[in-house]
Amino acid sequence: GIQVEQSPPDLILQEGANSTLRCNFSDSVNNLQWFHQNPWGQLINLFYIPSGTKQNGRLSATTVATERYSLLYISSSQTTDSGVYFCAVVEKYGNNRLAFGKGNQVVVIP
Amino acid sequence: EAQVTQNPRYLITVTGKKLTVTCSQNMNHEYMSWYRQDPGLGLRQIYYSMNVEVTDKGDVPEGYKVSRKEKRNFPLILESPSPNQTSLYFCASSSGQASYYGYTFGSGTRLTVV
Repeated sequence: GIQVEQSPPDLILQEGANSTLRCNFSDSVNNLQWFHQNPWGQLINLFYIPSGTKQNGRLSATTVATERYSLLYISSSQTTDSGVYFCAVVEKYGNNRLAFGKGNQVVVIP
Repeated sequence: EAQVTQNPRYLITVTGKKLTVTCSQNMNHEYMSWYRQDPGLGLRQIYYSMNVEVTDKGDVPEGYKVSRKEKRNFPLILESPSPNQTSLYFCASSSGQASYYGYTFGSGTRLTVV
């Protein structure tokens, strides 16, 4: 099956700093989503972004499907940005299963 | 509000006592799926359903059952829970060609089997 690798696995940020999270995937995909898992365990959908660039407030994401990677940018980080960020993809010729990366653990300190 | 609703949010049960985790969506989505999340193993698919009365196994189906009698509901059944099924469970749904429209997840069910 498709492999999804996220980097860095752990990140500590000072409040106000910017950061970039990366997601590499091993095969062609129909779908790519970024999720934020908050401290209560809820999975919050951030972006549906199989290609191109999107922005939502301080967050933005870019997917370059032909090169099989996606980037999530966090600008002016806040303590509420803490949590785990997951990249998940749907393989182009699979059963619509969402395959998740292992996540980026982000801690923003005041 | 468009959402996927799971119940209960938290459950502690004993080995062997049958339980059902409910999942309901109000978006008229065809595709629904169950995942479990475990430390070090990430999120893995248990079962999925492409439409009413159509279900299939995911990566880790052992010990679970599902049914899809109506479009909005997709319950997860543990006939005889065991401690290795202690996990955080998520239900998800998507419309049409699921991969083209993105998935919506429920808030999760934290299950402990003692």
